[in-house]
Amino acid sequence: GDSVTQMEGPVTLSEEAFLTINCTYTATGYPSLFWYVQYPGEGLQLLLKATKADDKGSNKGFEATYRKETTSFHLEKGSVQVSDSAVYFCALNTGGFKTIFGAGTRLFVKA
Amino acid sequence: DAGITQSPRHKVTETGTPVTLRCHQTENHRYMYWYRQDPGHGLRLIHYSYGVKDTDKGEVSDGYSVSRSKTEDFLLTLESATSSQTSVYFCATSGTGESEAFFGQGTRLTVV
Repeated sequence: GDSVTQMEGPVTLSEEAFLTINCTYTATGYPSLFWYVQYPGEGLQLLLKATKADDKGSNKGFEATYRKETTSFHLEKGSVQVSDSAVYFCALNTGGFKTIFGAGTRLFVKA
Repeated sequence: DAGITQSPRHKVTETGTPVTLRCHQTENHRYMYWYRQDPGHGLRLIHYSYGVKDTDKGEVSDGYSVSRSKTEDFLLTLESATSSQTSVYFCATSGTGESEAFFGQGTRLTVV
């Protein structure tokens, strides 16, 4: 079945460091791919998305490129801030009404 | 932001009692979902709805039932709560089913 695998956390970085959170997927068909972010005590909110191969989603300095050949959608940010500390979820949707989420990666950014 | 309200936000209940969680949306979204979030498991789908009175099971539906009598409301019932159902429950909605999901703030349920 469809699935999403993302790197285990927690990831701890110093402010202004480069961030990569790996995400790979298994899916039949051509899924849309998403990154969601969850700040403490809140629900998930969409960070960025890409709907077809080679699309790049971007928002708030975060980027991810839909790589069909490697079935990946890695999240990157060039310079993290303390306010980026959160849990990040990679997800996919193949159009079957359901979104499948990865297990989440917790990011801690130290000042 | 989609207006999604979950109630209650926190609840402590005893083993064996029925519990109902409510999700209310103001966006007229067709699709609604209930997830549970547990450490090490991420988000797991319990049940979902693709229209009024149209619901289906997700991957962890045992011990849960749902009802949707109006577009805006989606109820999750734990028929007889067990300690394994202690979790944080999230409601989500989606306009098309393929598009992004909008989440409520969650309900923290503790079964003692």
